[in-house]
Amino acid sequence: QKEVEQNSGPLSVPEGAIASLNCTYSDRVSQSFFWYRQYSGKSPELIMSIYSNGDKEDGRFTAQLNKASQYVSLLIRDSQPSDSATYLCAVFLGIGNQFYFGTGTSLTVIP
Amino acid sequence: KAGVTQTPRYLIKTRGQQVTLSCSPISGHRSVSWYQQTPGQGLQFLFEYFSETQRNKGNFPGRFSGRQFSNSRSEMNVSTLELGDSALYLCASRGGGQLNSPLHFGNGTRLTVT
Repeated sequence: QKEVEQNSGPLSVPEGAIASLNCTYSDRVSQSFFWYRQYSGKSPELIMSIYSNGDKEDGRFTAQLNKASQYVSLLIRDSQPSDSATYLCAVFLGIGNQFYFGTGTSLTVIP
Repeated sequence: KAGVTQTPRYLIKTRGQQVTLSCSPISGHRSVSWYQQTPGQGLQFLFEYFSETQRNKGNFPGRFSGRQFSNSRSEMNVSTLELGDSALYLCASRGGGQLNSPLHFGNGTRLTVT
């Protein structure tokens, strides 16, 4: 089992809809969780950090963390074509004190 | 504040050669990590340096090595290049003094081995 798992997609949503991206992780001692956006040919860009259970909102983005169920999700409200990218989930794990990344979910927002 | 700077942006090398990649972290960041990204494997952790010391290491062969200088700039070296080393190499820095502060990535160096 991989430390961090994401559905690779592709996920397609119409413009204006809510895009929901999910990530599960294996280590119960995980401390910190991050979402990165990566446009094709570019490097990952940090969009959200979440450290405690519950929801964290930043503009159109909401990160949700449930440590008991070991999942973290990202909701993108009012999706725009410019949101089309690959979204990477990253978890800072107690094992080895390092970051582990999922393989990413490809999102396409259709105008 | 300037971001993480990686040079060069593109490299083409031949099998058996060696290559050195450079990374300048965000000012004040003392931790520098290196990742390899390929379409099939995603982001794979190579190593992390903090205050000139390797703090952590991933599961890569000894052909991959790195170092960090007193100004926190870091270099990564790959010797005896193989075709499978073709990838996007990403450097990331982080600060905050905490192990779990987020990574900030540079633009990457795209290495092609022929």
